[in-house]
Amino acid sequence: GNSVTQMEGPVTLSEEAFLTINCTYTATGYPSLFWYVQYPGEGLQLLLKATKADDKGSNKGFEATYRKETTSFHLEKGSVQVSDSAVYFCALSPLGGGNQFYFGTGTSLTVIP
Amino acid sequence: ETGVTQTPRHLVMGMTNKKSLKCEQHLGHNAMYWYKQSAKKPLELMFVYNFKEQTENNSVPSRFSPECPNSSHLFLHLHTLQPEDSALYLCASSRADQSSYEQYFGPGTRLTVT
Repeated sequence: GNSVTQMEGPVTLSEEAFLTINCTYTATGYPSLFWYVQYPGEGLQLLLKATKADDKGSNKGFEATYRKETTSFHLEKGSVQVSDSAVYFCALSPLGGGNQFYFGTGTSLTVIP
Repeated sequence: ETGVTQTPRHLVMGMTNKKSLKCEQHLGHNAMYWYKQSAKKPLELMFVYNFKEQTENNSVPSRFSPECPNSSHLFLHLHTLQPEDSALYLCASSRADQSSYEQYFGPGTRLTVT
C-alpha cells in the first residue's frame, strides 16, 4: 500500500539553527513527493515537490531530495527563522494513482528568537 | 491568495441542525476534494470529484453529503452530526488525472458540533 511516515514532533529550534524533518514513504512504483506547510489558522500550502528519483525540490530556503534507494524525502533548511514556525506535512501521490494523495501526520515546528 | 476560498470559516452547530460548507476555486482546476483534519491524526480524504463526477468516497458516513454543481464549486452538506465530527474541514483543488499535479488548499472551516 501507500503511506507516509514523518518524524514525531513537536520540534523546537532556536533562530538560525539547522532544520531536518524526516519523511519516509511506502508506495507502489514511483510516486510524486511533496512537502506542505500549514501556518496557524490557515490551510495547507505547497512548499516544494519532486516528481522523480534524485530530483531536488526547493523553495524559500527549504530543500528536499527524492531518494529512491532509502524511500525518503527529508526536509532541510540551513537557518530557520521565527516565521518558519508552522506544521509541516509530507505527502505522496502514487504514479498512475489519479489524484489520490497520502499525507503524513504532520510535524510541528516552533522557532524561538 | 490561495485561489481556493471556503465559507464559513467557523461554524458551531447542534447535532440536529443542517448546515452546508461551501468551497470555490478560481484556478481553472477540474478536480476538487474534501478533507477532514483532526488533532493528532493524518488528513483524511473524504470525497474526490473529477470533472464534476464523484470518484472517491472513503467510507464517509451518510450524514456528510457532497455536491459538485460545476468544476469551480463544491459543497458539503451536514446533518445530524456527532461531536466527534468536530474538526477542520479543508477543501482542495487540482488538475485532474496526473499524480505530479499539486493540490491547492483553502483555509478551512473550523466545525464544532455541540
